Amino acid sequence: NAGVMQNPRHLVRRRGQEARLRCSPMKGHSHVYWYRQLPEEGLKFMVYLQKENIIDESGMPKERFSAEFPKEGPSILRIQQVVRGDSAAYFCASSPQGGQGRTEAFFGQGTRLTVV
Amino acid sequence: AQTVTQSQPEMSVQEAETVTLSCTYDTSESDYYLFWYKQPPSRQMILVIRQEAYKQQNATENRFSVNFQKAAKSFSLKISDSQLGDAAMYFCAYLVEEGGSEKLVFGKGTKLTVNP
Repeated sequence: NAGVMQNPRHLVRRRGQEARLRCSPMKGHSHVYWYRQLPEEGLKFMVYLQKENIIDESGMPKERFSAEFPKEGPSILRIQQVVRGDSAAYFCASSPQGGQGRTEAFFGQGTRLTVV
Repeated sequence: AQTVTQSQPEMSVQEAETVTLSCTYDTSESDYYLFWYKQPPSRQMILVIRQEAYKQQNATENRFSVNFQKAAKSFSLKISDSQLGDAAMYFCAYLVEEGGSEKLVFGKGTKLTVNP
């Protein structure tokens, strides 16, 4: 059973371009969480999705950022018109159901986005 | 809002010795979950140990154990018989469950160095 797969591992974008980060959850997992890690910081929650539904996007900037988790295919975190401040590591985690206290959420290895 | 504080940016320990990493948190909830995650240079977030607040017994996983002081809102991690492979960033996290959502709130981390 493959773990949570994120791609690409590294992504370089020029200011103003779009960044698309992909997350394939573990098999059988229908809950996905995205977190952002700035240098020298802990992870900060961005968005929580279930298949075809956004449950909580309270941690996501109101502009330029969007996320989806379609019925088929990976979850996508999209950042439009990237700026240097978007440079960070973006992590995805998945769980088979809600309740991370009772069922472990597994993390991917992250995508390091660098905006030049 | 729930916050998690790790007051030790860096710690070091000799191989085979014991080290304790500190974590305090703030919450008004009575039942919740706390976690310690390990992040080695590969960036993979690995769950080390989990504690349910209503359980008075401290969680233990092999060489890893916690000292959970609910009244003091303290959740320290003890690593016994430290090994070179324990060198990593360690993050304390609190699970926020509200309004049908759930998200982890992380501290800023402690960088652990293990000296041979």
